[in-house]
Amino acid sequence: EPEVTQTPSHQVTQMGQEVILRCVPISNHLYFYWYRQILGQKVEFLVSFYNNEISEKSEIFDDQFSVERPDGSNFTLKIRSTKLEDSAMYFCARGGGGSGEKLFFGSGTQLSVL
Amino acid sequence: EDQVTQSPEALRLQEGESSSLNCSYTVSGLRGLFWYRQDPGKGPEFLFTLYSAGEEKEKERLKATLTKKESFLHITAPKPEDSATYLCAVQAGGAQKLVFGQGTRLTINP
Repeated sequence: EPEVTQTPSHQVTQMGQEVILRCVPISNHLYFYWYRQILGQKVEFLVSFYNNEISEKSEIFDDQFSVERPDGSNFTLKIRSTKLEDSAMYFCARGGGGSGEKLFFGSGTQLSVL
Repeated sequence: EDQVTQSPEALRLQEGESSSLNCSYTVSGLRGLFWYRQDPGKGPEFLFTLYSAGEEKEKERLKATLTKKESFLHITAPKPEDSATYLCAVQAGGAQKLVFGQGTRLTINP
């Protein structure tokens, strides 16, 4: 049984359009994360989210990005105006937030910006 | 800046041929070193966490070890189903984020 479910599995959008990627954790955890992986590159941290607030973010996570948990279950990543370089696989993860605690990743959303 | 380097980038083995994957790291205050397996088009799947030098963990044909500068993932008598990309990541300092290496793409030929 997957720990985290992500929708959609694939998203194609035009440059400049807004996209929303969704993550539904199976169990009730407080810590959530977004990572991305550009084809052929490393998995990169974007943002961590704890108790409905951003707790840590990377330089990649600029004003074009936002996260929220609007209904207490779904966890979303919004990209306001997509760029070609936003094309990547986006992974949601959940964890306990403790030191050295493992993360459980979803299967990802493949975002293609044309 | 925390850095993780994995080698080799790709490794092709025959079924039953044992080998090791390397993960070298430079961090300030290691809190955990993680090994993940990633299949094509999928998210990383957790394998092991190591916390301090000298620690070892085993799972089926895999064994992970840790020193102060590197970690090894030993694979013994691998099978074709062990083919995947193996990722190493560290959590360091006061950060929650994981810093990943670029991975080793392992192929086991029958």
